[in-house]
Amino acid sequence: EAGVAQSPRYKIIEKRQSVAFWCNPISGHATLYWYQQILGQGPKLLIQFQNNGVVDDSQLPKDRFSAERLKGVDSTLKIQPAKLEDSAMYLCASSHSGAGTDTQYFGPGTRLTVL
Amino acid sequence: GIQVEQSPPDLILQEGANSTLRCNFSDSVNNLQWFHQNPWGQLINLFYIPSGTKQNGRLSATTVATERYSLLYISSSQTTDSGVYFCAVLMNTGGFKTIFGAGTRLFVKA
Repeated sequence: EAGVAQSPRYKIIEKRQSVAFWCNPISGHATLYWYQQILGQGPKLLIQFQNNGVVDDSQLPKDRFSAERLKGVDSTLKIQPAKLEDSAMYLCASSHSGAGTDTQYFGPGTRLTVL
Repeated sequence: GIQVEQSPPDLILQEGANSTLRCNFSDSVNNLQWFHQNPWGQLINLFYIPSGTKQNGRLSATTVATERYSLLYISSSQTTDSGVYFCAVLMNTGGFKTIFGAGTRLFVKA
């Protein structure tokens, strides 16, 4: 079974530029999560999708971050415009149903540096 | 909101030593997972453990939900065990929300 795929693995941009990350979850997984992990901290949930609907986006900075999961499969996370404090690892995860008994499986992450 | 605290924040072990990592949480949770993040940033599931005890090789975990804590035991540590260990709790807030602790950074010396 293929794992969660993410691209790119690394991205360096200047502040005020835009950037997009892509995630393909494990086949058949209904729930997809985007996390932001700042160096030295634990991951913080940005947005959670159940199929193509948003379950939780309470910690997503909506003035600059957006995410979509068209057709309920892969997903993109966009930052526009980027700030220095957006430098972080962006992790995508998926789980079978999103229920409380689910195990989350993580992709390799995208490391973003904003200069 | 719920607080998830992990201890110790940093740990250095000699290869072959045993250790116990702790995760305390401030409210009732639906579930708890332990993860290992390797030096390249990949998060690997170790245990899905809402209560009770589980073992997988040299690792085992115990969650006492009524007392709001979980323990991860590493026995006969190896250099490949180095990395950051996170616990993550799942709460039902109308949907299931995951909250991570700050992690325990483990370095195992050869």
